Amino acid sequence: EVQLVQSGGGLVQPGRSLRLSCTASGFTFGDYVMNWVRQAPGKGLEWVGFIRSKANGGTTEYAASVRGRFTISRDDSKRIAYLQMNSLKTEDTAVYYCTREGLWRPHDAFYIWGQGTMVTVSS
Amino acid sequence: DIVMTQSPDSLAVSLGERATINCKSSQSVLYSLDNKNYLAWYQQKPGQPPKLLLYWASTRHSGVPDRFSGSGSGTDFTLTISSLQAEDVAVYYCQQYFSAPPYTFGQGTELEI
Repeated sequence: EVQLVQSGGGLVQPGRSLRLSCTASGFTFGDYVMNWVRQAPGKGLEWVGFIRSKANGGTTEYAASVRGRFTISRDDSKRIAYLQMNSLKTEDTAVYYCTREGLWRPHDAFYIWGQGTMVTVSS
Repeated sequence: DIVMTQSPDSLAVSLGERATINCKSSQSVLYSLDNKNYLAWYQQKPGQPPKLLLYWASTRHSGVPDRFSGSGSGTDFTLTISSLQAEDVAVYYCQQYFSAPPYTFGQGTELEI
């Protein structure tokens, strides 16, 4: 079965760090661009960033709201994508989803979504 | 950045009736090299992750019932549910994947019975 299973998340104080993980199964993980999307309580969807496949350089892009604080990485041997969140702010409180693009280039829709994990930034 | 604007913000439709949601992009998402509209629709039910319904503006994702259809090109798009079922109650989002970063979503349309 094609799926993404997320872990990590929880309550963290402002200024602290947290790492989320997204473990893939059922497909060739290394071939795909992996994205992170977040949703603040009661709000809409906000794209956070993505990491390209190694074949396409493995480079990353980020939303302006998180650039310089968040880092996306991947371990293709373990089939895991990571979202490292540093210098967290209260406005980063949200459910975070990892999601897999399709293979069309330059870009494709988000075909597979993880179950989501809640991150609460509060003192 | 491409701004995606959906209308209406919320919609109440009777069971068996047609529901129509609109999405407008601030610039064209039609890519001239492949003649594809880089526009997707997602459905999100409470407590669940979003689920892909349509891509390339009008192609149904695997397993999506044929009562869901998409139309439009360039900057104006429509999601239509031909005969509303109780399980279609959800929030619907459009998304452009023509230009990134950033990918951008509409603000969402809440569909109720």
